[in-house]
Amino acid sequence: AQKVTQAQTEISVVEKEDVTLDCVYETRDTTYYLFWYKQPPSGELVFLIRRNSFDEQNEISGRYSWNFQKSTSSFNFTITASQVVDSAVYFCALSEPYGGATNKLIFGTGTLLAVQP
Amino acid sequence: DTEVTQTPKHLVMGMTNKKSLKCEQHMGHRAMYWYKQKAKKPPELMFVYSYEKLSINESVPSRFSPECPNSSLLNLHLHALQPEDSALYLCASSQDGGGGYQPQHFGDGTRLSIL
Repeated sequence: AQKVTQAQTEISVVEKEDVTLDCVYETRDTTYYLFWYKQPPSGELVFLIRRNSFDEQNEISGRYSWNFQKSTSSFNFTITASQVVDSAVYFCALSEPYGGATNKLIFGTGTLLAVQP
Repeated sequence: DTEVTQTPKHLVMGMTNKKSLKCEQHMGHRAMYWYKQKAKKPPELMFVYSYEKLSINESVPSRFSPECPNSSLLNLHLHALQPEDSALYLCASSQDGGGGYQPQHFGDGTRLSIL
């Protein structure tokens, strides 16, 4: 069965520190997609990144970077020089295709990141 | 601002009331989703509509009744809810193309409290 594990329940850092959020997944599919979402206190889940199983290139977007390693089934997320606005719950998710126009997201339990000023 | 709009933002209702949650998107997406999220938990999928037809029902109790009047709108009709149904209800949409590739885009949610 598909599964996503985010072992870090809560992380607290001081502003400007770097922080890495871990994500480990399990799937039997050879083609799959991984996502990271951010959920600030307002409630909306904000899509951050998608990665497919064929592309192991790391990606950087501003202060955000992602490290995808198929060999260890991990898709970790690093925030460089964290800011208070980064405080949120971060979810890693694995997509389970249903065909047609739908897909089902298997979410990890989330990591609450608190960035202190 | 989110491109998926949910109304109302907050709802308080009694166990005998009937109410509806509404969701709207104008991104041309052909799949729409309802999720339930309890505090400190990940979202749980409830329903999926694909091309305006119900494609997934995750064994949700019948007191929750989804409706997709057109490709831009999604409703969730509520009746005789229980206190444990108090939660954040999130709507999402994704483009067609399938295969799990398309990201889901979420609204701000409706915070529902059952008295």
